[in-house]
Amino acid sequence: DQQVKQNSPSLSVQEGRISILNCDYTNSMFDYFLWYKKYPAEGPTFLISISSIKDKNEDGRFTVFLNKSAKHLSLHIVPSQPGDSAVYFCAAVTGGYQKVTFGTGTKLQVIP
Amino acid sequence: KAGVTQTPRYLIKTRGQQVTLSCSPISGHRSVSWYQQTPGQGLQFLFEYFSETQRNKGNFPGRFSGRQFSNSRSEMNVSTLELGDSALYLCASSPGPLTGVVEQYFGPGTRLTVT
Repeated sequence: DQQVKQNSPSLSVQEGRISILNCDYTNSMFDYFLWYKKYPAEGPTFLISISSIKDKNEDGRFTVFLNKSAKHLSLHIVPSQPGDSAVYFCAAVTGGYQKVTFGTGTKLQVIP
Repeated sequence: KAGVTQTPRYLIKTRGQQVTLSCSPISGHRSVSWYQQTPGQGLQFLFEYFSETQRNKGNFPGRFSGRQFSNSRSEMNVSTLELGDSALYLCASSPGPLTGVVEQYFGPGTRLTVT
């Protein structure tokens, strides 16, 4: 039962262009959604989060959009940089933050 | 502040053996979660501890267990190892509930190989 899905295992984008990473979920009880970035041989690093009561949150080059009716969220990176090349995981939290459900990840490659 | 530390970083075990992994959270963090990462499966939630109590558990067999100590350090144990247990085991810490902090801070992981 994969409650959080990232249907694109990989994405390639030219440097300077926009990267859009997508995530779908099935559980309408999720309270928060988060994005993490992971480099090889390192643990995931928190990027940005959004509450279920909001539809947009922005932090520098990173913006997360939440569409509750479609149970869909996306991460926009503008402009994309080669250092952004990593695996991106979306995650969802419920129940007093006791349990975090992660997607399977999307590998982003930013081409110089 | 020092980050989350995990020991050991790499481990090779034989089927049937048992293994204990250790995690030291960020100072002041009282919640510790464990995840298993395998190719194509993302991060699978194992369990979460807060104040020495397991608050939630993922869908893993009873061979996977854990505990948390009074200083918030945590250990996880896997008994009767199987080849399919080969994975990256990640520990994450956070301040805990009612702090307004949602995100978790991850350690570098322990790479377990079962032969």
